[in-house]
Amino acid sequence: GQNIDQPTEMTATEGAIVQINCTYQTSGFNGLFWYQQHAGEAPTFLSYNVLDGLEEKGRFSSFLSRSKGYSYLLLKELQMKDSASYLCAVRPSGGYNKLIFGAGTRLAVHP
Amino acid sequence: KAGVTQTPRYLIKTRGQQVTLSCSPISGHRSVSWYQQTPGQGLQFLFEYFSETQRNKGNFPGRFSGRQFSNSRSEMNVSTLELGDSALYLCASSLGDGSNEKLFFGSGTQLSVL
Repeated sequence: GQNIDQPTEMTATEGAIVQINCTYQTSGFNGLFWYQQHAGEAPTFLSYNVLDGLEEKGRFSSFLSRSKGYSYLLLKELQMKDSASYLCAVRPSGGYNKLIFGAGTRLAVHP
Repeated sequence: KAGVTQTPRYLIKTRGQQVTLSCSPISGHRSVSWYQQTPGQGLQFLFEYFSETQRNKGNFPGRFSGRQFSNSRSEMNVSTLELGDSALYLCASSLGDGSNEKLFFGSGTQLSVL
């Protein structure tokens, strides 16, 4: 079967760093996405990893290890507006845009 | 550049009715995918269209169908609505010309079935 696991909830303090982990088991691999979703809104694209290593984009970084079926999203200098759900999604081999999504991690940032 | 546009933003229907949702992709994008999001099941893939052809399909009943027009705009239709069809329906677009490409979502259509 195909499975993506990520923690259900996390809390962090404003200004701190938080790491959201994602592990996956899919039929092949052709890229991993991270999306941010605020309540009642559509998912917003954050990052895309297809090769092993770290991708940095401002306060957000995403890491991928294909051999371990593992990724993480790193958020630095947390702001209150970062309170949202973070979705990990994998594109299996031959899946075109049929992404498999995790259930999402709800992050609450406190002052 | 305009993003992915979905209409309408909200819909209220009753059981047994049918509904059509519309999606206009980002200019230049030829692939349109549809997803259903519910609190219990999360985001689930419905189908994907590329160059007016369905090239991938999820595990939803035949009541869910879609199509794509020559200008890449897409519609999805749900017939004989059930209470369980209440969900946020999201459309996503991409260039569609390769496997390593990014997917961008529209704001969604919130469907309530009473």
